[in-house]
Amino acid sequence: QSVLTQPPSVSGAPGQRVTISCTGSISNIGADFSVHWYQQFPHKAPKLLIYTNRNRPSGVPDRFSASKSGTSASLAITGLQAEDEAVYYCQSYDSSLGGSVFGGGTKVTVL
Amino acid sequence: QVQLVQSGSELKKPGASVKVSCKASGDTLTPYPMNWVRQAPGQGLEWMGWINTKTGNPTYAQDFTGRFVFSLDTSVNTAYLQINSLKADDTAVYYCARDFFTLGSYSHAFDMWGQGTMVTVSS
Repeated sequence: QSVLTQPPSVSGAPGQRVTISCTGSISNIGADFSVHWYQQFPHKAPKLLIYTNRNRPSGVPDRFSASKSGTSASLAITGLQAEDEAVYYCQSYDSSLGGSVFGGGTKVTVL
Repeated sequence: QVQLVQSGSELKKPGASVKVSCKASGDTLTPYPMNWVRQAPGQGLEWMGWINTKTGNPTYAQDFTGRFVFSLDTSVNTAYLQINSLKADDTAVYYCARDFFTLGSYSHAFDMWGQGTMVTVSS
């Protein structure tokens, strides 16, 4: 069981907006540690999508956005495209565990 | 082009050891913290810990103490993960991942990943 909780799956039609939640606790997201998001395609290494809560690395489309509030964070994909079909992971730091923690991952399906 | 290149797949018997390498090309290994991440078949990502590439000091996540060893050889720009006394449960893809330096500090986001090394433990 992951320290950060994500829904196992979300889906949407092309062009729609989907959001993925990442729920933590007072020892990680709620302690104001940064949240990062990754995109992973099958048999590929994860790719950094969002760092430090809401920042996009160079080359990441602005269709991807993220926010954080309290003990939760969320990733939004607007204008969903077929190429966005992947698994998305959130990550933060947990002070009780003394290291990074990942969410369980959310599979995004484009209908 | 900066990249992390990992060693190839391994098939090991239970009780054996394996050493996975992660070579930085196009940039130096130091001073970036290097992390290791495990992904069991069909499962999510697990952070195993990290190694300080300036001092060689490793930090292990709670579930990865005892049998797991992080090391470096900075002369060849390479980080290593050794797993001893292998068990079937160790079957997974192992990734090295570099800490992202931004806005004057390490963010603990991982901006560069190796391609992954599949370790299969089977008798």
